[in-house]
Formats: sequence, structure tokens, C-alpha cells
Amino acid sequence: GESVGLHLPTLSVQEGDNSIINCAYSNSASDYFIWYKQESGKGPQFIIDIRSNMDKRQGQRVTVLLNKTVKHLSLQIAATQPGDSAVYFCAENIRGTYKYIFGTGTRLKVLA
Amino acid sequence: NAGVTQTPKFQVLKTGQSMTLQCAQDMNHNSMYWYRQDPGMGLRLIYYSASEGTTDKGEVPNGYNVSRLNKREFSLRLESAAPSQTSVYFCASSARALGSNQPQHFGDGTRLSIL
Repeated sequence: GESVGLHLPTLSVQEGDNSIINCAYSNSASDYFIWYKQESGKGPQFIIDIRSNMDKRQGQRVTVLLNKTVKHLSLQIAATQPGDSAVYFCAENIRGTYKYIFGTGTRLKVLA
Repeated sequence: NAGVTQTPKFQVLKTGQSMTLQCAQDMNHNSMYWYRQDPGMGLRLIYYSASEGTTDKGEVPNGYNVSRLNKREFSLRLESAAPSQTSVYFCASSARALGSNQPQHFGDGTRLSIL
């Protein structure tokens, strides 16, 4: 399949460990944020979202943290599994627009 | 539960040829989008359709046209393909319109090569 990104930053973690993937967003007018997972040859898959009136949101094995002061978003994956291996990227929606700004992503490799 | 379906999955064109990429969603979503994804870059919006009957330019519309055929279908047309349009094209949809804070749901893409 094609490369989503030839020179993506890579995070390697041992199976069972927790993973933390970071994202610096760009626009202070953004008020909605999404994390996507993209496997090779597939489209982006929604993982979790968070609105700007929240600092933290939890899903199944995933937690998103939002720090508006420094415009930083993180995705925490608990007990990382081989099936979590993929490219992860964040997206921000600028308030009042249809415009989403997508990050270039981080490749997560889970080591057995 | 198909979600967003894109056809074709792969296509090779010669410079100057035309083609239409098809997209259909079965989630009764109002908004639909076309993106391109290139190595080392985030997804870039080509065109979007906020609702049936409307279309608007995104970040990189040059060389493309779109048609929102009905609520389900949103097609992307390359009238005269250029090598710079070699990319992976993704269609997406979301439930509601502007400012509603709804995630986009993506198809699996069309891998397009222009020779």
C-alpha cells in the first residue's frame, strides 16, 4: 500500500504499555478536536473527540487531554495492543467554519 | 453497515485524461467533503458540500469540480489530469452542518496516479 507519510515521527511501545501521542494544534479559534487512527491502505477512523469546554475525555482504553493554554492535545492509549499499530493524527475545527486542520500524524509501532 | 463508499479504489490515468471519483454515504449525513492526502502533509480539503444542493471550494480546489448529486452522493471530477494530482483522495461525511462539532467519517480512499 501507499505511505501515508514517508517521514512521520514514530513512537515504539511494548505491547501492554501505555502510549501517549501528542499534537500541537495551530489555531486559537479552534473549538473542537478529533483524534483519528489510519491503518495502511485505509481511511482515517474516528477514535475520540473533545470540545474546547473540556480538558479531558475518556473512551474505551483511550483518553484525550486538551491544554488550551499551550494549544496542545494528547491521546493516551492504555494497554497498547498490536492492533493499535497505525498512524494517529489530530484534527481541529475552527469555530464557525467547515474548515478542519489535520496534523501530519505519528506512527505508532507496537512491539511484541 | 457500509458508511462511506468510494469507487474506484485504484486508478492510473495519463496526463490530460478526465475521470470522476464517486462517493456515497448511507448514514443520512448532510455534509460531505473531498480531501487529498499527500506524503508528509495533513489532509487538505478540496471541496465540500454543507448540504444537498450546495458546494463550496476548500483549500486546494484548482483542477477539480464536484457535484452533489443527491443527499447520498458527492462526486469529484478531474477534467484534465496533471501529475501534480497524483494522490490519495478521501471522501468524508458528517451528520450536521456548520459549528455542530460532529466528527467526519471517511471512506477508504481512491489511489490515483497520473502519468
